[in-house]
Amino acid sequence: QVQLVESGGGVVQPGRSLRLACAASGFTFSNYGMHWVRQAPGKGLEWVALISYDGSQKHYGDSVKGRFTISRDNSKNTLHLHMNGLRPEDTAVYYCASGAVAGDEAFAVWGQGTMVTVSS
Amino acid sequence: DVVMTQSPLSLSVTLGQPASISCRSSQSLVYNGGNTYLIWFQQRPGQSPRRLIYKVSKRDAGVPDRFSGSGSGTDFTLKISRVEAEDVGVYYCMQGTHWPLTFGGGTKVEIK
Repeated sequence: QVQLVESGGGVVQPGRSLRLACAASGFTFSNYGMHWVRQAPGKGLEWVALISYDGSQKHYGDSVKGRFTISRDNSKNTLHLHMNGLRPEDTAVYYCASGAVAGDEAFAVWGQGTMVTVSS
Repeated sequence: DVVMTQSPLSLSVTLGQPASISCRSSQSLVYNGGNTYLIWFQQRPGQSPRRLIYKVSKRDAGVPDRFSGSGSGTDFTLKISRVEAEDVGVYYCMQGTHWPLTFGGGTKVEIK
């Protein structure tokens, strides 16, 4: 079945880096744009980044622009989020979600999330 | 950035009664090609978000037909015709027309 599984979360000190991964299965990963969305504890959803199906286009939310980089490896059906210069306000559950914004599949499938805690 | 404003913040509904959630955008969500990229999500307690409605009014497979989406331009509504216990959770609207993508603040639905 269609599945997204995030990994790589953990506790990290402010200023340090972390790389999240999202493993996709059950669909043709290389045909779909992919997103990262985060949710701080007890708060709402915040869109983080999008990468197009072939990696040629990337867009970022204002709060992560210049610090986070989204990438993908279509040969391994894997999405990544490279997070640099982490701040306490980046503490959140990070979800990956599938589908280009303009397609009927936009945000149709979500992973279970991985928790990132930024604390000294 | 486009601001998505949801109301009310919370809703307490008697089982079997209707519920309505409003979502207003600070700019029109009509894209150049005529499509409107407005999505509704449900997040049950302890779960990942689940898409219910996309492109304003298209219901996802498996979503009960008591859920419906409507609206145009800057004004959108999610309606639940008869609330059931499994509908408890937080509902979010999201716009996909303008970068960066933005979510509404959420509406918490509980049973009275």
